[in-house]
This record gives sequence, structure tokens and C-alpha cells, in this order.
Amino acid sequence: QSALTQPPSASGSPGQSVTFSCTGTSSDVGGYNYVSWYQQHPGKAPKLIIYEVNKRPSGVPDRFSGSKSGNTASLTVSGLQAEDEADYYCSSYAGSINCVFGGGTKLTVL
Amino acid sequence: QLQLQESGPGLVKPSETLSLTCTVSGGSISSGNYYWGWIRQPPGKGLEWIGTISYSGSTYYHPSLKSRVTISVDTSKNQFSLNLSSVTAADTAVYYCARWSGGSYYYWGLGTLVTVSS
Repeated sequence: QSALTQPPSASGSPGQSVTFSCTGTSSDVGGYNYVSWYQQHPGKAPKLIIYEVNKRPSGVPDRFSGSKSGNTASLTVSGLQAEDEADYYCSSYAGSINCVFGGGTKLTVL
Repeated sequence: QLQLQESGPGLVKPSETLSLTCTVSGGSISSGNYYWGWIRQPPGKGLEWIGTISYSGSTYYHPSLKSRVTISVDTSKNQFSLNLSSVTAADTAVYYCARWSGGSYYYWGLGTLVTVSS
């Protein structure tokens, strides 16, 4: 069970859009529509922002959107705001109530 | 509003057993089709799934930790617990408890830092 692959960093200016990738295998990302994304600010617990590939929990702005193609999932943040600067982690169901996380992407808002 | 709170020693000696408890409030650990999990994050690093338990006690562990991990549940206290044996410095991390449903961890505790050091 290997970690999902995420780029270590990304950046964008306020108002712009940025997309992160999350690459797994057919045993996790490609095999199930159970990809989640979490936002984590320094010193805080992760917060769920996307579940089941493209669904948003109540209260999460629609600036956050998710998608999946094959073994790669993506998170897009539109209309970047300063408060979006955080670490973003993807995760996927991997069968038998197993879960696998990505290494995380640090988003910098320039 | 569901809340989870981790508790346990913040310092554990190498080769000993790390023990943490997660207390759930604002809802019953026995209700619904939920599972209860532990996730950890070494300082400056990413999240690592440790394992998950159902309210009935069925357990699922990360393959690389399976030989050292035990997760248990006490429905009478609305708690579930983590034991990690034979710890080393590599087990130093913030440990989070969380509720899992449909592939996602919706509710998280604040996390507790456990340092492994003599």
C-alpha cells in the first residue's frame, strides 16, 4: 500500500485558479469513487473539503472542486484567496476499509 | 456537533507501548454506519493512516504497522483506543482520531503530539 503521489508545492496569485494532482493506482484512486481532499492550516487538524471525488461538505465554498480521470484525481481552487494558503492532502479508499493518503501539496498564495 | 478528543501521554520511551484514547461526544460511537480511525503526522511530514475500527470491534490496519498496532473500542464509555508497541523515534508524530464514513474522515480530533524519547 504505497502513498498517493502529489506535487510537493503549488502557487498562484489572488483571483487565479490552481489545480493539484493526486496519482494512485487501479487499487485505490482508479478503483473507487472515494477520493477525498483535506485542507490543513499550520498547527490545525485536517479539514475535509471534497469527498467522493467531487462532492463538497456543507460550508465548503464552491471555489473548491474535484475530479478524477483514471488513476489520477485533481483538486481545483478557483478565485484564490489568501486564506487558501495551506497544505492539501488527497486520500483514497483502497478496499477492505483501508485508506491511503498522498504526501501533500503546499499551496502558496503569492 | 460531533467532537473527538485524543488523550494520553505526550512522551513515551523507545521500545515501550504508545497508548492513546479518543473520546467521542455529541453522538454515540455505536450509531450509524461509521468507523473510527487513527491517523498520524510526523513533524513536518504528511498524513499516514494507521487503522480503523467499527463499533462492533472489526479492525483494519495499515499493512506496515499491523504487527504493532491494536485498536479497540469501548462503547460504554463512547471511546476507542490505540496501542502501538515497540515504538521508536520514527513513531514521533501528532496522532489524530477521526470518524470515517463512505471513504472520508469527516470529523477529526485536534490531535495530540507524542514524542518517543528516552
